[in-house]
Formats: sequence, structure tokens, C-alpha cells
Amino acid sequence: DADVTQTPRNRITKTGKRIMLECSQTKGHDRMYWYRQDPGLGLRLIYYSFDVKDINKGEISDGYSVSRQAQAKFSLSLESAIPNQTALYFCATSDSWGSRYEQYFGPGTRLTVT
Amino acid sequence: AQSVTQLDSHVSVSEGTPVLLRCNYSSSYSPSLFWYVQHPNKGLQLLLKYTSAATLVKGINGFEAEFKKSETSFHLTKPSAHMSDAAEYFCVVSVGSSGSARQLTFGSGTQLTVLP
Repeated sequence: DADVTQTPRNRITKTGKRIMLECSQTKGHDRMYWYRQDPGLGLRLIYYSFDVKDINKGEISDGYSVSRQAQAKFSLSLESAIPNQTALYFCATSDSWGSRYEQYFGPGTRLTVT
Repeated sequence: AQSVTQLDSHVSVSEGTPVLLRCNYSSSYSPSLFWYVQHPNKGLQLLLKYTSAATLVKGINGFEAEFKKSETSFHLTKPSAHMSDAAEYFCVVSVGSSGSARQLTFGSGTQLTVLP
């Protein structure tokens, strides 16, 4: 079984709709992250959470919100989706030493906003 | 501030020939450096990491990278390419002290094509 899972894997939605992407992990890590990937831009950090009560904005948080429901669950919401939010979204986790050690990535969610 | 530049967006090699993927970084502090690989429709997998120990780092699947502080480089190499190496590769830099808000900065990626 995968250590980091994301649902849905693919989603097509219309402009203005609210959508939630979910991430669950069984690694026991306390840190979780949301990234988006666009061609030619690598991955960019949207939000990160160091524990259930700690949420931090990343490089590109505008238009997004997150919720850390439990240590193992971290969801990303688009309150009103727009076409330029079409991208591949990745969830990742790491242990308490942060990114000195590697992050573990989920398989990604491909989101298309029409 | 930290940044990372992958010097080639696409690299094409023949099966059995060497692979070189180039990465330069910029950092005000001693960095940790990583190479991740992304196969089509898959998440990112860690290939190898440098965290201030040995400057020559060996990773999975025969890949290795050398940290050269004087050149601010962390190039990824493999002596002999295999068809299964075809993927996108990301160089990643991280700085910050333990327990602080360390973040990863990703390069823009290098697409490796392996020709039969």
C-alpha cells in the first residue's frame, strides 16, 4: 500500500466551483506539504503544516486554503476555481527534521479547470 | 534566498552511454541538495541526497552526484543509461537550521530521453 495517497487522481471542474483535494499518509510524519507542478516551472510550494495546529503559507498560496484534520490528513481547497489553477498537485510528508531529510510524495492529482 | 538552476531542459542519450544532468545552486548557507526522479504519471522519488557528509553521493539505480562547493554545482551522472531511466529529473536545494521552517526549492526539471 502507498504511504502517501491522494484523492481524486484526476478531476475536471468548471470555473467558479469549489473543489477539495485530499491527502492521507501512513508514514507517521508530522509535516505535510502541498505543491503544484506546471510544465517548465518545477514544483512550487502552496502551503505546509508542521503539525495539526500549525499551518503556513508557501510561495503561491493565493486562491488556495488548507485544512489539517489530523496528523495523517491534509486537504487543499480551491474556493472558486479558475483556469490558471489547472496543474498537477502533489502532497508530500517529512519527519520532524524537516527537509534536511527527504520528503515523500504522493502520486499527484491532475486538476483541469475549464 | 536560495535558488537552483537546471542547465538543460531536455537531454537525450543512447542506451548504454553515460548520462550527465547539470545543476547549479545558489545559497547563502550550507545547503542540503537532492535529486528526485518523476516517471510518467507517477509521484516524485528520491534518487540521492547530499547533507554535508561525503561530497560524492551514491543513489539508487546506479546514479551518483558530486557536490562541488567552489563551482556551486551538484551534477547527476550515471555511467550507462538504461531505457527505464527515461523520466523527468529535479534538482532540489534546501537551507535552514534544524527545526526551522526549511523548505525545498525545485529546479525546473530536465527531461531525459533514452534512445534504443
